[in-house]
Amino acid sequence: QKEVEQDPGPLSVPEGAIVSLNCTYSNSAFQYFMWYRQYSRKGPELLMYTYSSGNKEDGRFTAQVDKSSKYISLFIRDSQPSDSATYLCAMSVYGNKLVFGAGTILRVKS
Amino acid sequence: EAGVAQSPRYKIIEKRQSVAFWCNPISGHATLYWYQQILGQGPKLLIQFQNNGVVDDSQLPKDRFSAERLKGVDSTLKIQPAKLEDSAVYLCASSKTGIDNSPLHFGNGTRLTVT
Repeated sequence: QKEVEQDPGPLSVPEGAIVSLNCTYSNSAFQYFMWYRQYSRKGPELLMYTYSSGNKEDGRFTAQVDKSSKYISLFIRDSQPSDSATYLCAMSVYGNKLVFGAGTILRVKS
Repeated sequence: EAGVAQSPRYKIIEKRQSVAFWCNPISGHATLYWYQQILGQGPKLLIQFQNNGVVDDSQLPKDRFSAERLKGVDSTLKIQPAKLEDSAVYLCASSKTGIDNSPLHFGNGTRLTVT
């Protein structure tokens, strides 16, 4: 079993839809949770960073962490074609030793 | 600020050949990382430097991979000899520190194809 599981998709939605992306994990010691966005042939860029459980909102993006269920989510409101990318969840026990999910491919159709 | 620079962008070699990748991190970033991203997978940490010292190389295949960060700035990752399964994108990242809440900034990677 992988430490971090993420549905690879692809997930295809119409423009303006609310998108929900999810990861599950097995290591209960993870306490730092991140979402990265990766465009084709580019490096990942950090979108959201959350420590421990709870919600964090930044513009159209909301990150949720439920440590009791070992489940994290990223919601994108009013999705745009420019949001089309691969979304990677990542987490760590301490420091910057990140364990990444495999990534979910998102396609937003105009 | 200038981002993380990597070169070359693409490299095609035959198995058993050697190859080297170069990374220049963001100025002032003490911590440098090399990740391997195989197609359809998330990045996997190969090695982490703090200044010019190695912090973590537990997932680096040391029989064929080596990395150095001379003078605590630029870094080079080498593979010798390459195997087919080394085909991947090699990502370099840097952060101000190696502790929590110091975000990683990634370069655009070097895409290696081993034939």
